[in-house]
Amino acid sequence: GENVEQHPSTLSVQEGDSAVIKCTYSDSASNYFPWYKQELGKGPQLIIDIRSNVGEKKDQRIAVTLNKTAKHFSLHITETQPEDSAVYFCAATHRGAGGTSYGKLTFGQGTILTVHP
Amino acid sequence: EAQVTQNPRYLITVTGKKLTVTCSQNMNHEYMSWYRQDPGLGLRQIYYSMNVEVTDKGDVPEGYKVSRKEKRNFPLILESPSPNQTSLYFCASSLDGFGLAVADTQYFGPGTRLTVL
Repeated sequence: GENVEQHPSTLSVQEGDSAVIKCTYSDSASNYFPWYKQELGKGPQLIIDIRSNVGEKKDQRIAVTLNKTAKHFSLHITETQPEDSAVYFCAATHRGAGGTSYGKLTFGQGTILTVHP
Repeated sequence: EAQVTQNPRYLITVTGKKLTVTCSQNMNHEYMSWYRQDPGLGLRQIYYSMNVEVTDKGDVPEGYKVSRKEKRNFPLILESPSPNQTSLYFCASSLDGFGLAVADTQYFGPGTRLTVL
């Protein structure tokens, strides 16, 4: 099945710096890659996603890049702020047999991001 | 308010005592899913449901059951809980799964922390 590896497991930056989190996936059939932010005591929340027909997507200070050939994708946060401190998860779809199942989702292990004021 | 609710939020039980964690969404979503979150392992999908009466296994279905008799509810059943099922559980829903032409946001519930002694 699909396997998603996420690095680093912890990341500490100063306010205003950039943060980059990287993920690799194993299933070349995966076509949807969401990123989630989880604040303490809450459920994950979708912050950005990218589909396999796109190489990069931006939303204000957040961007995601995808390299299908290398099977890796990355989250970039610029001008980090203390409120960006949270756990971030990448994920990838896992198509079922015959390529028709769109319900399975495999997550990375998570990155604890700390932004110091 | 659009939301996914889970009950109970906290539960301590003993090995072998059947329990049910309820999940309900008020957004008329067709897709619902259960995940467990463990330190260092990220979120792992237990079961998902593409629609009423349609359920399928995720990556870690052993020891769990689900049912989808109506669109808004997706209970998670542990027939004979064991200590290795101690975890933080999240229910989630989205309009229509993943991998479609239109981007779809998955909404997570607040989580249920389960301890099996």
